[in-house]
Amino acid sequence: EVQLVESGGGLVQPGRSMKLSCAASGFTFNNYDMAWVCQAPKKGLEWVATISYDGSSTYYRDSVKGRFTISRDNAKSTLYLQMDSLRSEDTATYYCARQDGSYPNWFAYWGQGTLVTVSS
Amino acid sequence: DIQMTQSPSSLPASLGDRVTITCRASQDIGNYLRWFQQKPGKSPRLMIYGATNLAAGVPSRFSGSRSGSDYSLTINSLESEDMAIYYCLQHNEYPYTFGAGTKLELK
Repeated sequence: EVQLVESGGGLVQPGRSMKLSCAASGFTFNNYDMAWVCQAPKKGLEWVATISYDGSSTYYRDSVKGRFTISRDNAKSTLYLQMDSLRSEDTATYYCARQDGSYPNWFAYWGQGTLVTVSS
Repeated sequence: DIQMTQSPSSLPASLGDRVTITCRASQDIGNYLRWFQQKPGKSPRLMIYGATNLAAGVPSRFSGSRSGSDYSLTINSLESEDMAIYYCLQHNEYPYTFGAGTKLELK
């Protein structure tokens, strides 16, 4: 069974950093591109970043470029999101999602999300 | 960036109704369009992939269609468990973009 479990969220002050993790199990992690998607409270979904299966390619939404870094440790089957220079508008639940594989299953698997609150 | 204009934002409906939600893409995205259902406090659930294909385990009352740059999600014979927020997602090119969401609620 595919499982994605996020952790690392919490309360952080503006301008500080936070690192999210997503532990994957039930599939061969290093075969799949992975993504982070966020959702501000009572708002819609926003794609944040994607990393290729081997970590060689990364993609970001403009609002996080230069501040967030997506990475992965395939030996640990874990996806990361390093969030620097946090702003109040980064407050959201962050989901990790399996982005690819067989075409029907793109974005079929999501974690439960971890809440990041940026506030002083 | 590709904009996904989703409508309506809110859709009151009765059990047994047939409802349709639409996303219009600002640029060509081919059939790289997915629909998700999200219930309060839950993660998104994939409903439709490739614009018209039912994801695994999704009831057959759900369907997807495309007309040019307009993509639609239709639910036939609405059931209470279908009350949720629905989002479209284009994954033709980065940055991937979601529609703003449609809240389906009981009239």
